[in-house]
Amino acid sequence: ILNVEQSPQSLHVQEGDSTNFTCSFPSSNFYALHWYRWETAKSPEALFVMTLNGDEKKKGRISATLNTKEGYSYLYIKGSQPEDSATYLCAPLSLTGTASKLTFGTGTRLQVTL
Amino acid sequence: KAGVTQTPRYLIKTRGQQVTLSCSPISGHRSVSWYQQTPGQGLQFLFEYFSETQRNKGNFPGRFSGRQFSNSRSEMNVSTLELGDSALYLCASSRRAPGQGTEKLFFGSGTQLSVL
Repeated sequence: ILNVEQSPQSLHVQEGDSTNFTCSFPSSNFYALHWYRWETAKSPEALFVMTLNGDEKKKGRISATLNTKEGYSYLYIKGSQPEDSATYLCAPLSLTGTASKLTFGTGTRLQVTL
Repeated sequence: KAGVTQTPRYLIKTRGQQVTLSCSPISGHRSVSWYQQTPGQGLQFLFEYFSETQRNKGNFPGRFSGRQFSNSRSEMNVSTLELGDSALYLCASSRRAPGQGTEKLFFGSGTQLSVL
């Protein structure tokens, strides 16, 4: 899978704002879509893994949706908090035979201020 | 339960040298994959190993190689280092291969390699 695009590249919001990001990807050989949060000086941490068209996942104030037919996923954060400041990465997983490959986007960098 | 451990944390080398990076996965995890992160680039896939077999390889030159041992620990080697190899190298583990079910990856803290 080539051309994984995430938008916006960066985002600056106030505490309490709700926000959303987009991940678009080609749908060929698609198997799953991963979302990770990467805080500065830490390791990327998995948020969601989704496989089915129309899938929705939720973890606290963060949720994600998946559209495999048109090749996009949205990540929503409700009531942003300063601790949500991080880079959010999406990565479609392609599967060809037994060979799997995660292709990461360049991420959306979120900054939440008081 | 210990997380994914990568050593060393930082490394400084000069052009032409070679380097070996190590990754110990979470106990019970059999799949290890490696990624390169450079400024402005997303995480670039290097290789994926499962049960000591390389299952997939990214678009990197042959100077980049890896292996996985019977205890699932993995090493990555870069020979004839170039300035452009300066990057953060991350490894990630999962219980099963990424294509099996909805396995998420657990990442290590990475090795920051600087090539002078």
